[in-house]
Amino acid sequence: EAAVTQSPRNKVTVTGGNVTLSCRQTNSHNYMYWYRQDTGHGLRLIHYSYGAGNLQIGDVPDGYKATRTTQEDFFLLLELASPSQTSLYFCASSGDWVQDTQYFGPGTRLLVL
Amino acid sequence: DAKTTQPDSMESTEGETVHLPCSHATISGNEYIYWYRQVPLQGPEYVTHGLQQNTTNSMAFLAIASDRKSSTLILPHVSLRDAAVYHCILGDSGGSNAKLTFGKGTKLSVKS
Repeated sequence: EAAVTQSPRNKVTVTGGNVTLSCRQTNSHNYMYWYRQDTGHGLRLIHYSYGAGNLQIGDVPDGYKATRTTQEDFFLLLELASPSQTSLYFCASSGDWVQDTQYFGPGTRLLVL
Repeated sequence: DAKTTQPDSMESTEGETVHLPCSHATISGNEYIYWYRQVPLQGPEYVTHGLQQNTTNSMAFLAIASDRKSSTLILPHVSLRDAAVYHCILGDSGGSNAKLTFGKGTKLSVKS
């Protein structure tokens, strides 16, 4: 079974702070995704990538940058964090096509004060 | 916006067979129907998927209407561990712009 890990699991920062969320998958998947989940909205796609160096814009990209440094590693960057970015963030990966099963990480809970 | 419509919540009792409906009236010919489930504080977990034919696995049976405008996830003999939010999702076209769009899902409650 695919393994997707995220770090940190919990993070507290202040408004204007700089935050990096990390995701690593060890199943040689090409696709990786960043989602946020908020009460009343379900999961919303922020950014995704189909390989190292590639980045695709999701549905709610404003205020977020992302970078795929290797096939295994996908980072989500909040350079000027705002309270509206307080959320539960999930990373996921899938095989050659997005229509393959997505495997999700355990999530990172971010609080922006 | 999500391209599927699901009831916000459903209730069941242990041992029952549960039918979770999903409407996807604007589905296109190359879109797959995916079901994921999620328990609190965890990431979603894949349940099943299909294109046109009904499918079955150890977790569930997926019944797809002949016109593909709706589907039903059937959970036989539910237990307390099946309590979760169930997401019905359509897979976008393949290639570099492909992605899944999650909606709010159906919260399934199971009582003993």
